[in-house]
Amino acid sequence: QKEVEQDPGPLSVPEGAIVSLNCTYSNSAFQYFMWYRQYSRKGPELLMYTYSSGNKEDGRFTAQVDKSSKYISLFIRDSQPSDSATYLCAMSADGNQFYFGTGTSLTVIP
Amino acid sequence: EAGVVQSPRYKIIEKKQPVAFWCNPISGHNTLYWYRQNLGQGPELLIRYENEEAVDDSQLPKDRFSAERLKGVDSTLKIQPAELGDSAVYLCASSRWGQSTYEQYFGPGTRLTVT
Repeated sequence: QKEVEQDPGPLSVPEGAIVSLNCTYSNSAFQYFMWYRQYSRKGPELLMYTYSSGNKEDGRFTAQVDKSSKYISLFIRDSQPSDSATYLCAMSADGNQFYFGTGTSLTVIP
Repeated sequence: EAGVVQSPRYKIIEKKQPVAFWCNPISGHNTLYWYRQNLGQGPELLIRYENEEAVDDSQLPKDRFSAERLKGVDSTLKIQPAELGDSAVYLCASSRWGQSTYEQYFGPGTRLTVT
């Protein structure tokens, strides 16, 4: 079993839709949770990070962590064509070694 | 602030040939990571440096891969000899110790194709 599971998609939504991206994990020691955005032929770019449980909001993006269910989510409100990318979740127990999901490919259609 | 710089951006080599990748981290970042990202997969850590010390190289295939980080700044990752299965994107990332270490900044990667 992989440390982190992520639905690869692809996910296609109309502009303005709310997007929900999810990851599950098996290691209960994980306490650092991150979401990265990766455009084609670019390196991953950190979008959001959360320590332990709870929610975090930044503009149109909201990250949620449910440690009891070992489940994290990223919500994108009012999605834009520029949000079209691959979204990677990543997790760590110690803030040094990170385990990445496989990424979900998102396309926002104008 | 300049980002993480990697070169070359693309490399095509024949199997059994050697290849090297270079990374220049963000100025002041003492932690440097090398990841490998296969198509349709997330990055997988190969090696992590704190300054010039390799503190985690457990996932580095040491029979053919080597890395160095002289003077705790630039780093080079080498493969010798390359195999077909080494075709991937090699990503370098850096972060600053003392700051939230999970704020890793990635370079654009080197796309390696082994034929």
